[in-house]
Amino acid sequence: ETGVTQTPRHLVMGMTNKKSLKCEQHLGHNAMYWYKQSAKKPLELMFVYNFKEQTENNSVPSRFSPECPNSSHLFLHLHTLQPEDSALYLCASSHQGNNQPQHFGDGTRLSIL
Amino acid sequence: SQQGEEDPQALSIQEGENATMNCSYKTSINNLQWYRQNSGRGLVHLILIRSNEREKHSGRLRVTLDTSKKSSSLLITASRAADTASYFCATPTSGSARQLTFGSGTQLTVLP
Repeated sequence: ETGVTQTPRHLVMGMTNKKSLKCEQHLGHNAMYWYKQSAKKPLELMFVYNFKEQTENNSVPSRFSPECPNSSHLFLHLHTLQPEDSALYLCASSHQGNNQPQHFGDGTRLSIL
Repeated sequence: SQQGEEDPQALSIQEGENATMNCSYKTSINNLQWYRQNSGRGLVHLILIRSNEREKHSGRLRVTLDTSKKSSSLLITASRAADTASYFCATPTSGSARQLTFGSGTQLTVLP
């Protein structure tokens, strides 16, 4: 139990579907992150939220749409994805402040048909 | 460009042996972190070493940092089969206060 819960753990969707990934943290953290982990590639940061405000968007395509309604919840809305978007999507959280250790969920394994 | 790069990419040892993984980075940093990832799971933070520290211990883990060589090493002593995982170093991303840049990782296999 890491304190960061991601649902669903696995998701298979067609390119025309719309789905959402959910992340919830019970650690009292104020910063939350979405990462993409593809095979044989380094972890890629997608979005950063601090106190519910988006502070970083690393040139992520608009077919990925994040939402952070409060400091404990983070969503990633998906629509019209491409096969190359198949990957493990990891959520993380941390305390406010520079370079704090990040706590990760177990990810959602996404497969695009 | 990638900040941290681990070496080797894969390492296979016998239970009880020590495992050493290295990380090199390019720009000046104020800290470096090591994470572990078991298959099918998220990353777990292991240890953070600050730029003014040369060595840090946590249980069977020993981390060193050489800022003059821009490198760090993670040593796992008396390895166990449960240590089998991928190990990543992470460094602060240049120009960002909160971003971390992760390396590609070392896949460690500990054989029973």
